[in-house]
Amino acid sequence: QVQLVQSGAEVKKPGASVKVSCKASGYTFTSYGISWVRQAPGQGLEWMGWISAYNGNTNYAQKLQGRVTMTTDTSTSTAYMELRSLRSDDTAVYYCARKLAAGTRFDPWGQGTLVTVSS
Amino acid sequence: QSALTQPASVSGSPGQSITISCTGTSSDVGGYNYVSWYQQHPGKAPKLMIYDVSNRPSGVSNRFSGSKSGNTASLTISGLQAEDEADYYCSSYTSSSSGVFGGGTKLTVL
Repeated sequence: QVQLVQSGAEVKKPGASVKVSCKASGYTFTSYGISWVRQAPGQGLEWMGWISAYNGNTNYAQKLQGRVTMTTDTSTSTAYMELRSLRSDDTAVYYCARKLAAGTRFDPWGQGTLVTVSS
Repeated sequence: QSALTQPASVSGSPGQSITISCTGTSSDVGGYNYVSWYQQHPGKAPKLMIYDVSNRPSGVSNRFSGSKSGNTASLTISGLQAEDEADYYCSSYTSSSSGVFGGGTKLTVL
């Protein structure tokens, strides 16, 4: 079955970087994109960006431009999201999701990775 | 890109129907037939319920339906059941080739 499995929880200090992984299985990785979405505690979903697993093209949310980088490793069917210069308001659960075709059709989602930024 | 506008909460009794609205602009909801809806139970990852305005993925109950008029999309749940109690989020593709979510709606089944 199609599945996305994310890396474990992280605790980082302000100013540090974090890199979250998302390993895909059950489908041809390069046939779809991967989107990243985060959710701060008690808050709603926030779209962060997406990457084509076919050619590596990316599109990032304007507010994260310059701090976020999304990449893929097609040899291991794994997507990565790196966020730099972490601040306390980056504390959130980070999700990856398979992006099907155009639009915002994300299915399935990974289990989520909690990133805590605290001094 | 501003978040799409959803009501903070809606409620209904078992068996009733409810509708959740999602209002955007001509640069997102109104400009594309790329509105999706997600259901999220506490502590769980979101689940796709509707895509491309009105299409249901395989396995999603036909009690869930979607529509759009102008800059406003809607999710209707008929025959409310206790397990429908969750948070619901709309999302849309935008003119800047990005995505945007609504603020979320908490559905309470009375």
